[in-house]
Amino acid sequence: AQSVSQHNHHVILSEAASLELGCNYSYGGTVNLFWYVQYPGQHLQLLLKYFSGDPLVKGIKGFEAEFIKSKFSFNLRKPSVQWSDTAEYFCAVLGNEKLTFGTGTRLTIIP
Amino acid sequence: NAGVTQTPKFRILKIGQSMTLQCTQDMNHNYMYWYRQDPGMGLKLIYYSVGAGITDKGEVPNGYNVSRSTTEDFPLRLELAAPSQTSVYFCASSYSGRNYGYTFGSGTRLTVV
Repeated sequence: AQSVSQHNHHVILSEAASLELGCNYSYGGTVNLFWYVQYPGQHLQLLLKYFSGDPLVKGIKGFEAEFIKSKFSFNLRKPSVQWSDTAEYFCAVLGNEKLTFGTGTRLTIIP
Repeated sequence: NAGVTQTPKFRILKIGQSMTLQCTQDMNHNYMYWYRQDPGMGLKLIYYSVGAGITDKGEVPNGYNVSRSTTEDFPLRLELAAPSQTSVYFCASSYSGRNYGYTFGSGTRLTVV
């Protein structure tokens, strides 16, 4: 069975700081990886996804993620965060027709 | 195009009561899912369906039932509500389990007292 680990539970940054959120996965088959964002009081929205090809994936709102197969990682990055990036971020792996989510990382941006 | 619609948005139940959480999608997606979200726990899969007439258990199915009589609808039934079922419930759909992201509904916040 697949699993996802997000080790950062709560990250606090100042505006304009750089962001990296960790994600490690476990799955024996072909890897499809996702990052979702949940703004306060809202539902999950897709930030970006990786299926194959270029391991550096660019998503919406300036986010990107890098798939490193040897490290089983899919870390999310943004060079300069904004206050509006305050949200909860979920990494997920698709396996056996189902998405399995990590426990999420709460990101708080201080103006 | 409404996407995935969940009703109700909020509900308070007493222990032992029953209710159905409704989920409808208008995108002709064949895959549909029910997740529950608890603080610090991420999203846990309750049930999923790969097409009309086909359902299967996810990670946390106990205390819930589902049916999929049409492509559009995937209701989640709680027969005997328990405090442990206090959670936020999200329905999601996708065209295929592979290679596509999920579209999520706006959620139902359920409190069992």
